[in-house]
Amino acid sequence: EVQLVESGGGLIQPGGSLRLSCAVSGFTVSSNDMSWVRQAPGRGLEWVSVIYSGGSAFYSDSVKGRFTISRVNSQNTLYLQMNSLRAEDTAVYYCARDWTYYDSGFDPWGQGTLVTVSS
Amino acid sequence: DIQMTQSPSTLSASVGDRVTITCRASQSISSLLAWYQHRPGKAPKLLIYKASSLESGVPSRFSGSGSGTEFTLTISSLQPDDFATYYCQHYNTYSRTFGQGTKVEIK
Repeated sequence: EVQLVESGGGLIQPGGSLRLSCAVSGFTVSSNDMSWVRQAPGRGLEWVSVIYSGGSAFYSDSVKGRFTISRVNSQNTLYLQMNSLRAEDTAVYYCARDWTYYDSGFDPWGQGTLVTVSS
Repeated sequence: DIQMTQSPSTLSASVGDRVTITCRASQSISSLLAWYQHRPGKAPKLLIYKASSLESGVPSRFSGSGSGTEFTLTISSLQPDDFATYYCQHYNTYSRTFGQGTKVEIK
């Protein structure tokens, strides 16, 4: 069964750091493109970052220079390292398998993990 | 950067209604567009890819059309499970961009 499980969210002060994890079962993370997407309270979906199977990574302008996407093949896990966190980074963060290179979409998605940036 | 604009932002409809949501791109994006359904507390669900291809397992009452800058998602006969927020999404090599969402509410 294909499953993505995010973890690592929580309450963090502005300026702090947090690392989110996305544990994957049912397919190999390193052989697939993977994205992070977030949804702030009362707002819509916002794409955050992608890592391609070849290792290239891209970021939205809102997180560029602060967030880093990575993966650990032996753990079959995707990560999002978030530094210099701001109140506006408060959101539910989702990971998803990214099929857009093949002209498809994001499928499947995890259930999300909540990050709250507040003092 | 390409901007994606959905209309309306909110839509009130009844079970059995035909519903149409529009997504406009700030420049031509060919058919590089997907549609998602998102229910509160759930993971988003891919409905349509490449503007008009129905994702496997998605009911046939959902359909997508358009190319270039204007796209539509149509639900031919709204069902109780369909009350949710719908998003369009453009994708290219360097980024993915969601529309702001259309909430379909019970009338």
